[in-house]
Amino acid sequence: EDQVTQSPEALRLQEGESSSLNCSYTVSGLRGLFWYRQDPGKGPEFLFTLYSAGEEKEKERLKATLTKKESFLHITAPKPEDSATYLCAVQAPLEGSYIPTFGRGTSLIVHP
Amino acid sequence: DAMVIQNPRYQVTQFGKPVTLSCSQTLNHNVMYWYQQKSSQAPKLLFHYYDKDFNNEADTPDNFQSRRPNTSFCFLDIRSPGLGDAAMYLCATSRGAYNEQFFGPGTRLTVL
Repeated sequence: EDQVTQSPEALRLQEGESSSLNCSYTVSGLRGLFWYRQDPGKGPEFLFTLYSAGEEKEKERLKATLTKKESFLHITAPKPEDSATYLCAVQAPLEGSYIPTFGRGTSLIVHP
Repeated sequence: DAMVIQNPRYQVTQFGKPVTLSCSQTLNHNVMYWYQQKSSQAPKLLFHYYDKDFNNEADTPDNFQSRRPNTSFCFLDIRSPGLGDAAMYLCATSRGAYNEQFFGPGTRLTVL
């Protein structure tokens, strides 16, 4: 069973059409949840870290929120340049390790 | 600018011919990671170092090895690449165990 599940797998939006990406997790003892953006053929780029339920972070058109079981990445009035794969990673004690576990990502395409 | 650098960006090798991928960082981070990422999949952790403390993931094939001769450099050796090893290899760093990761641009490995 996957510990980190992202949905949807793929999302197509029209420019200006706001939406949300979901990252749900089953781990306990969350230390941190990270959001990254990955452009095709490149390494992931850090966006946000969330540590506790109720926390929110914003950057331009992106807003990340966290509850006890999931996180949302809200994209307001997206532009074509927001097209990318968005990855979340969850950090929690697992068999003594602190290494973050990544989800498979949501591939976002924003059409002009 | 402080960054994570990977060389080469593209590597083509023949089946069974050893390759070495390199990573360097100017961030002076303690932790360095090697990930393998295949198309539409989550990054899969192969190794990580906390300073000089080497950690090998349980399911990393014996065909993969790593070296970290100093804080700034890390190498990934693939002793006998198979067709299934074709992937993007990502190097990442973090200041500490619980901090966000900074990724390099990746090395795309093709095995013929």
